[in-house]
Amino acid sequence: DADVTQTPRNRITKTGKRIMLECSQTKGHDRMYWYRQDPGLGLRLIYYSFDVKDINKGEISDGYSVSRQAQAKFSLSLESAIPNQTALYFCATGSTTDTQYFGPGTRLTVL
Amino acid sequence: GQQLNQSPQSMFIQEGEDVSMNCTSSSIFNTWLWYKQDPGEGPVLLIALYKAGELTSNGRLTAQFGITRKDSFLNISASIPSDVGIYFCAGQPSSNDYKLSFGAGTTVTVRA
Repeated sequence: DADVTQTPRNRITKTGKRIMLECSQTKGHDRMYWYRQDPGLGLRLIYYSFDVKDINKGEISDGYSVSRQAQAKFSLSLESAIPNQTALYFCATGSTTDTQYFGPGTRLTVL
Repeated sequence: GQQLNQSPQSMFIQEGEDVSMNCTSSSIFNTWLWYKQDPGEGPVLLIALYKAGELTSNGRLTAQFGITRKDSFLNISASIPSDVGIYFCAGQPSSNDYKLSFGAGTTVTVRA
């Protein structure tokens, strides 16, 4: 079984809809991250969490919110989706050596 | 976090060739990481570097942490078709900052 799982893997939605992307991990890591990937821009950090009670904004947090429901679960929400939020979204977990392990990604399309 | 300057942006290589890509930054990093992303998948860690000047290999891959701590390179020797993908560099700026900055990626396509 994969160490970091994301659901759904693909989602098409309409402008204005609320969307939640979920991430769970079995690596036992405290740190979890949400990234967005756009062609030619690499990975940009949306939010990160170092433990259940700790949530921090990344470089592009506007329009997004997160919830750390448990050490192993970290969800990303788009309260009112807009077309420029169409992208690949990756969840990652962090080890004590600061390397990060990524999930398989969610492809989100906002029409 | 800041974006790293990764080059080249893309490359077409002949099977069997050695290739090289690099990342530079205007700031010092304590850690350099190299990831590979296959189509439809998330990035997978290839090599992690923790010390300036460090040279580390993983099979046909070799990466180095630059002496200035502002750059890193990745070499792939004897390319094979499964080397196709996008390679990303990532840097961690300090031991107290666990956020990574990523390069924009190098897309590698292998000609059979």
